Amino acid sequence: KQEVTQIPAALSVPEGENLVLNCSFTDSAIYNLQWFRQDPGKGLTSLLLIQSSQREQTSGRLNASLDKSSGRSTLYIAASQPGDSATYLCASRRSSNTGKLIFGQGTTLQVKP
Amino acid sequence: EAGVTQFPSHSVIEKGQTVTLRCDPISGHDNLYWYRRVMGKEIKFLLHFVKESKQDESGMPNNRFLAERTGGTYSTLKVQPAELEDSGVYFCASSQDRDTLFFGPGTRLTVL
Repeated sequence: KQEVTQIPAALSVPEGENLVLNCSFTDSAIYNLQWFRQDPGKGLTSLLLIQSSQREQTSGRLNASLDKSSGRSTLYIAASQPGDSATYLCASRRSSNTGKLIFGQGTTLQVKP
Repeated sequence: EAGVTQFPSHSVIEKGQTVTLRCDPISGHDNLYWYRRVMGKEIKFLLHFVKESKQDESGMPNNRFLAERTGGTYSTLKVQPAELEDSGVYFCASSQDRDTLFFGPGTRLTVL
């Protein structure tokens, strides 16, 4: 049974810092892994999706990496801004035959001006 | 283009009552998913529709939960009778392919 864990649960940094959010998963047989952002009272927005054959994906100041062998993914945020404050969730998908995502509990990020 | 919409945004009911949540997916999206987040826990999968068929309902917690998607458009999730542990946020998502899910804002359910 896949379990996804995110550390830390909460993080507070000053504006401008580079930071790394961590995600680990117990079953390396994943089809892909996604990072989502959730703002208070809003739905989830997909940030980056990494297929199992890929090592990383980049979008703007965001870079996500995937290491299946160690069961880890990281989300790197460069030059953080107050607007980056949100909860970040990672989710794994086991196979192409299922749309089911297994989520971590999330990391709540606060970027202070 | 309108995103995924959910109704109501909040619902407060008493234990034993019935509540029906509604989700309108993005037009043309065959895949529709229900997830929920109960207090202090991670978001968990409930079920997946492809058009009006249940593709995977392995996450439905018990037979007090009934999901329907008549006509393959909007979906409803009924909880009857509601229990205290059903409190949480219920999310709906839709997708055309299975990689890119678009989530709705969720319905916050409180059972007293």
